Amino acid sequence: NAGVTQTPKFQVLKTGQSMTLQCAQDMNHNSMYWYRQDPGMGLRLIYYSASEGTTDKGEVPNGYNVSRLNKREFSLRLESAAPSQTSVYFCASTTGGWEKLFFGSGTQLSVL
Amino acid sequence: GQQLNQSPQSMFIQEGEDVSMNCTSSSIFNTWLWYKQDPGEGPVLLIALYKAGELTSNGRLTAQFGITRKDSFLNISASIPSDVGIYFCAGQRGGYSGAGSYQLTFGKGTKLSVIP
Repeated sequence: NAGVTQTPKFQVLKTGQSMTLQCAQDMNHNSMYWYRQDPGMGLRLIYYSASEGTTDKGEVPNGYNVSRLNKREFSLRLESAAPSQTSVYFCASTTGGWEKLFFGSGTQLSVL
Repeated sequence: GQQLNQSPQSMFIQEGEDVSMNCTSSSIFNTWLWYKQDPGEGPVLLIALYKAGELTSNGRLTAQFGITRKDSFLNISASIPSDVGIYFCAGQRGGYSGAGSYQLTFGKGTKLSVIP
């Protein structure tokens, strides 16, 4: 009964380093999302994947890439991390509507 | 882009008090949602509202979809310590037309602290 699992939970990077945030869901959901949350801000959509094999940009996609590896997994990659990407990142998934949008517990990323 | 103005930003209340928070927008939304986020966790849906004027309860929580479709409020009655967290409103404009339509617009949150 894991739901949406994100790894790692915490990460510190130096400017220019790259890393991939992993997300997996075990609810057989079709659609998956990556959001970022900054202090005093609401969640903002980075990228989403309507179904396996498709990805689309959200509100703030610059500096990120995504891969929908299979139905379960949706990863977020930072190719060259910048301090402006310091944030908490949330993965979410759904299959039937916004009332069924489930969030993971987040990855706290600091870029120095 | 669309913005939701959520107020207050934070509040400190005594245990047992009632709480009220609201969201307003310059745009019309067809769905309003209220989420709660506990420290170190992702948001969890509390209440979903689907039509103007709708009043929905979930235990001690009550939320309403404004008649103008540009606002919503959330009330918590008889607060308890576990109500501590950040409450977010979120709006969604259109009907389903693909996963992109699940692009919710989130408010900035109301941080609630309950003093025992």
